[in-house]
Amino acid sequence: SQTIHQWPATLVQPVGSPLSLECTVEGTSNPNLYWYRQAAGRGLQLLFYSVGIGQISSEVPQNLSASRPQDRQFILSSKKLLLSDSGFYLCAWAATGGFYGYTFGSGTRLTVV
Amino acid sequence: GENVEQHPSTLSVQEGDSAVIKCTYSDSASNYFPWYKQELGKGPQLIIDIRSNVGEKKDQRIAVTLNKTAKHFSLHITETQPEDSAVYFCAASISNFGNEKLTFGTGTRLTIIP
Repeated sequence: SQTIHQWPATLVQPVGSPLSLECTVEGTSNPNLYWYRQAAGRGLQLLFYSVGIGQISSEVPQNLSASRPQDRQFILSSKKLLLSDSGFYLCAWAATGGFYGYTFGSGTRLTVV
Repeated sequence: GENVEQHPSTLSVQEGDSAVIKCTYSDSASNYFPWYKQELGKGPQLIIDIRSNVGEKKDQRIAVTLNKTAKHFSLHITETQPEDSAVYFCAASISNFGNEKLTFGTGTRLTIIP
């Protein structure tokens, strides 16, 4: 069966510090991968998606970047965090051989102080 | 691009009563409509989905209906229980040969009153 792992679960970082959030998927090959952000009490904002290694599409201009160094690994990064980067970050994957929606990870709660 | 509107934003129902959440979409080419449930501090989980060739789908106490002509779809939860309290998101997508993206509604916070 397929599983998605996201870490860390919570993170408190000072303004101006770097960020690296990691997401890995097991049990499938060549998944589509997605990073979403959810502000407190708000909806889901798509940040990045990837259809293959090294292929990243950005949906919203911002202080963040994403990379996909391996087929089932998706990394969200920032060189210098802003207060506005605080939120709940969710990674998700979708199969490419027939679309059945996304499977989300458990999320990372990021607080920038 | 696709736009999905979701109503209401909050909903409180008495335990045992039914809850209905409604969504509309803008792109008539959309053909896949999932619903997600998000409990506090967790990632959203798929609870039911429907494709455009089907008008209704049911799974125990949960059902989804789709009206392609009106471009709206609804989630129905019957005999609500306290564990149904959560935020629910609807979504829509268009087939795109392995490059599908979901467009989400803004969410409905459902509270079940014991």
